Amino acid sequence: GAVVSQHPSWVICKSGTSVKIECRSLDFQATTMFWYRQFPKQSLMLMATSNEGSKATYEQGVEKDKFLINHASLTLSTLTVTSAHPEDSSFYICSAPRPGINEKLFFGSGTQLSVL
Amino acid sequence: TQLLEQSPQFLSIQEGENLTVYCNSSSVFSSLQWYRQEPGEGPVLLVTVVTGGEVKKLKRLTFQFGDARKDSSLHITAAQPGDTGLYLCAGGRGKTSGSRLTFGEGTQLTVNP
Repeated sequence: GAVVSQHPSWVICKSGTSVKIECRSLDFQATTMFWYRQFPKQSLMLMATSNEGSKATYEQGVEKDKFLINHASLTLSTLTVTSAHPEDSSFYICSAPRPGINEKLFFGSGTQLSVL
Repeated sequence: TQLLEQSPQFLSIQEGENLTVYCNSSSVFSSLQWYRQEPGEGPVLLVTVVTGGEVKKLKRLTFQFGDARKDSSLHITAAQPGDTGLYLCAGGRGKTSGSRLTFGEGTQLTVNP
């Protein structure tokens, strides 16, 4: 079963509204989570690293005020796309490393955002 | 700057054929991971290689990490339609998977029955 849950799977919103995407680690604690953006049949582009208890680290060119990240607990990180515009339409994916002897990075199932 | 170059970007083959996907970089990575992603889903880890020259096999898939830990390849034998998907390589520089990964551009593989 999934170890990282991402919600919602898809969302359609009007231009100018804000959309919140949740990423939860289901059976482990994640002090770090990663948020990516992906265009059709293209690779993942890292947007930011979400850090529990501190500010997120954004990649160059990613607007902090546009993509708000909150890592409120050890199992939850949220990405809020503020004042969404059609160019923000994309597939957003989160990931979290599960600690342990065989540490692995697990991905959420992604969120398809369509801004009208 | 794209640090990992993946080739080919698109590949369409017939069932039963063999194929190789390459992942190259001028940088050294502490680990190299291969993922497979299906439309509308997140990537799923196939394998992690950490030692230069390492070869790992997963059924019909063979993964190799270059001696200098700058490149990797994925070879699929007797491809099947179920192998269709986006294959991504990702390089890590830290000691754990919690470290930031650099993804390749991806290879979209289509296996026709």
